[in-house]
Amino acid sequence: EPEVTQTPSHQVTQMGQEVILRCVPISNHLYFYWYRQILGQKVEFLVSFYNNEISEKSEIFDDQFSVERPDGSNFTLKIRSTKLEDSAMYFCASSSGDRDQPQHFGDGTRLSIL
Amino acid sequence: RKEVEQDPGPFNVPEGATVAFNCTYSNSASQSFFWYRQDCRKEPKLLMSVYSSGNEDGRFTAQLNRASQYISLLIRDSKLSDSATYLCVVPQNTGFQKLVFGTGTRLLVSP
Repeated sequence: EPEVTQTPSHQVTQMGQEVILRCVPISNHLYFYWYRQILGQKVEFLVSFYNNEISEKSEIFDDQFSVERPDGSNFTLKIRSTKLEDSAMYFCASSSGDRDQPQHFGDGTRLSIL
Repeated sequence: RKEVEQDPGPFNVPEGATVAFNCTYSNSASQSFFWYRQDCRKEPKLLMSVYSSGNEDGRFTAQLNRASQYISLLIRDSKLSDSATYLCVVPQNTGFQKLVFGTGTRLLVSP
């Protein structure tokens, strides 16, 4: 069964450093998403991406965050200057986009900011 | 009302028991709903989709009450492996299907 893959599984970074989280969505999917989950809290939407542009973003997704699909397969989330409160699990998801079709999640990147 | 609201639990049940979780949602325009399962520090995994009044898959039954804006998940004959957090998920009624998650209901099945 096709799956969404994410790398790295765990990233430890000093506060103020840039991080890039990588995702390879399911190959025939057209819609891509990033979510985050702070330890002990619920999963929160960050951003959706379609046709090489952001389609929707949450208030969490401020100017420090960016996404791109540089080569037609990878989908990346960049945080320019990390803060302690960016520590969380980051999940990538993709879907075919057909109405009512579920999103499939990668196994996440645990980001720890020191 | 919160966008998606669930009782956090935990629900402690013995093996073989039947357990039910409820979830309420605020957006009356929502058309489809999902139950995801999340194991500790793992990704959400789709358990069931709910489009009309309900859906059944083996030991799992999901029901939708649009008038009262709640969704339920019933698990029959609980197994130890059912221990997890069950997430009620409601897509926003936009073209790109942003998902809104509940906080989840934790289930612990004991021998």
